[in-house]
Amino acid sequence: SYELTQPPSVSVSPGQTASITCSGEQLGGKYVCWYQQKPGQSPVLVIYEDKERPSGIPERFSGSSSGTTATLTISGTQAMDEADYYCQAWDNGTPVFGGGTQLTIL
Amino acid sequence: DVQLVESGGGLVNLGGSLRLSCTTSGLTYSSFTMNWVRQAPGKGLQWVSSMSGNGLYIYYADSLKGRFTISRGNAKNSVFLQMDNLRADDTAVYFCARSVGHKMDVWGQGTTVTVSS
Repeated sequence: SYELTQPPSVSVSPGQTASITCSGEQLGGKYVCWYQQKPGQSPVLVIYEDKERPSGIPERFSGSSSGTTATLTISGTQAMDEADYYCQAWDNGTPVFGGGTQLTIL
Repeated sequence: DVQLVESGGGLVNLGGSLRLSCTTSGLTYSSFTMNWVRQAPGKGLQWVSSMSGNGLYIYYADSLKGRFTISRGNAKNSVFLQMDNLRADDTAVYFCARSVGHKMDVWGQGTTVTVSS
């Protein structure tokens, strides 16, 4: 079965740039989404189709994808960005999630 | 405003059954694929099942086939997840989510299922 791999945790100081990676076989040929989930809340879509941002999501969130790796970048991180982040791709018509990355703002 | 509301979760004994509901408002259900995604305590997101808007395409996670059944209501504003022969590792928060194109853009608040031995 298809697998997506994320680092378990990433730490960043306020105002700095956080990068969260997601790796999978031939991932560059699939559309990748990113979801933010805060404790006790539902996931929120922050990036879709590799780099598109839904309305209402701040411009500091951006995405890219190439080869076997997709990357979520959060520029000028704020305390409110502390959350779990999940990547997701589609494989044979079904969604696959990465294991999630806990982003800590130091 | 588009909203999804899950219900039907609760405490159930090992081997028991539950039927989860996801009621939609503010959207034409038949135009979208509806998904169930679960999250075990302290764990990540796991896709469970999907049904296309026209009901013709139904998918299940391989590990759940035969025990879970997705369906939709006649009014087409609800989607259900029938869960049978429940196991301890089915304990999770179950979310329904709408997918359009290549994204799951609307999620419900989730309903908690606890399987007790």
